[in-house]
Amino acid sequence: NAGVMQNPRHLVRRRGQEARLRCSPMKGHSHVYWYRQLPEEGLKFMVYLQKENIIDESGMPKERFSAEFPKEGPSILRIQQVVRGDSAAYFCASSPQGLFSGNTIYFGEGSWLTVV
Amino acid sequence: KNEVEQSPQNLTAQEGEFITINCSYSVGISALHWLQQHPGGGIVSLFMLSSGKKKHGRLIATINIQEKHSSLHITASHPRDSAVYICAVRRGGGADGLTFGKGTHLIIQP
Repeated sequence: NAGVMQNPRHLVRRRGQEARLRCSPMKGHSHVYWYRQLPEEGLKFMVYLQKENIIDESGMPKERFSAEFPKEGPSILRIQQVVRGDSAAYFCASSPQGLFSGNTIYFGEGSWLTVV
Repeated sequence: KNEVEQSPQNLTAQEGEFITINCSYSVGISALHWLQQHPGGGIVSLFMLSSGKKKHGRLIATINIQEKHSSLHITASHPRDSAVYICAVRRGGGADGLTFGKGTHLIIQP
């Protein structure tokens, strides 16, 4: 049973380009979370999705950032017109049901975005 | 003030020592998670607690809900335990995202 798979592991983008980060949850998991870890800072919640639905996006910046989890395929975190401040590690995590059900959470290896 | 505070921020110890990492939080929670992040970045969930104590191998995690405090203990520490240990809480009231401490950088020297 493969774990949470994220790709790419490392991504370099020039300012103004778009970054797309993909996350395939563990098999059987329908709940996906995205977190951001800025250099020298702790992890911060961004968005919580179930299949085809955004449940909580309270941690997402209001502009340039979007997330989806389609019926088929991986969850995607999309950052448009990237700026240097977007450089960070982006972690995806999944759980079989929501954490409110008492489930544990499984993290991917992270995607490191560098904006030059 | 952060909602989740960890101490110490950095800890260097000798192999074999008993290690304690502390986590205090200021909000009502429904569960607390201890995570381990290795160099290279991957994150592993060690424990999820809502009360009492859990043990897995040389790791022990405790939580005191009344005092809003949790501890992670490592017995017979080993250099492979060197990592960042992160405390994260899930708030009560329906929110499902985690709120994280800044982590404790642990180095175990041979």
